[in-house]
Amino acid sequence: GNSVTQMEGPVTLSEEAFLTINCTYTATGYPSLFWYVQYPGEGLQLLLKATKADDKGSNKGFEATYRKETTSFHLEKGSVQVSDSAVYFCALSEWAGYQKVTFGIGTKLQVIP
Amino acid sequence: EPEVTQTPSHQVTQMGQEVILRCVPISNHLYFYWYRQILGQKVEFLVSFYNNEISEKSEIFDDQFSVERPDGSNFTLKIRSTKLEDSAMYFCASRGTGNNQPQHFGDGTRLSIL
Repeated sequence: GNSVTQMEGPVTLSEEAFLTINCTYTATGYPSLFWYVQYPGEGLQLLLKATKADDKGSNKGFEATYRKETTSFHLEKGSVQVSDSAVYFCALSEWAGYQKVTFGIGTKLQVIP
Repeated sequence: EPEVTQTPSHQVTQMGQEVILRCVPISNHLYFYWYRQILGQKVEFLVSFYNNEISEKSEIFDDQFSVERPDGSNFTLKIRSTKLEDSAMYFCASRGTGNNQPQHFGDGTRLSIL
């Protein structure tokens, strides 16, 4: 079956530091890949997505590139802010059909001033 | 921007009781889902629902669980004879038609079984 593996964290960074959260996946076919973010006390929000190999998803300064050869979708941001403190979930869904989402464990990011 | 809404935000129930978690998906979406997240664990798929029937369910979704779309707007998850291990955050999601459409999630209902 499908699976997503991501670093568990927590990750603690100083403001303006560079962020990488690694994510790799196992799937049949050609899944769509997502990063969701969960701010404290809130639900899951779609941060960015990529639907085919070499696509780059980006939003709010975050980026991730769909790498089929390494089955990876690492999340990066050049300069984090305190307001980026949240839990980040890497996820995938099958390209067709009912497209249930398979999530990684989530990585808690804490940015300190 | 339209959003998925879930009620209540927190539900406390005695073990053995039945609970109904409610969701209002985005109005023009046709695919609906329930997920759960036990504290400190992964978000897990429970069930998907399309065209007024279950389209896929996980091994977690046994006879204790049921889903219903009682009218044109609500989508409910019923849990019968609740157990302590049913304590979790339950997320509803909906998706529009077409491939590669992302799922939009609600803020979740925190279910606490005492």
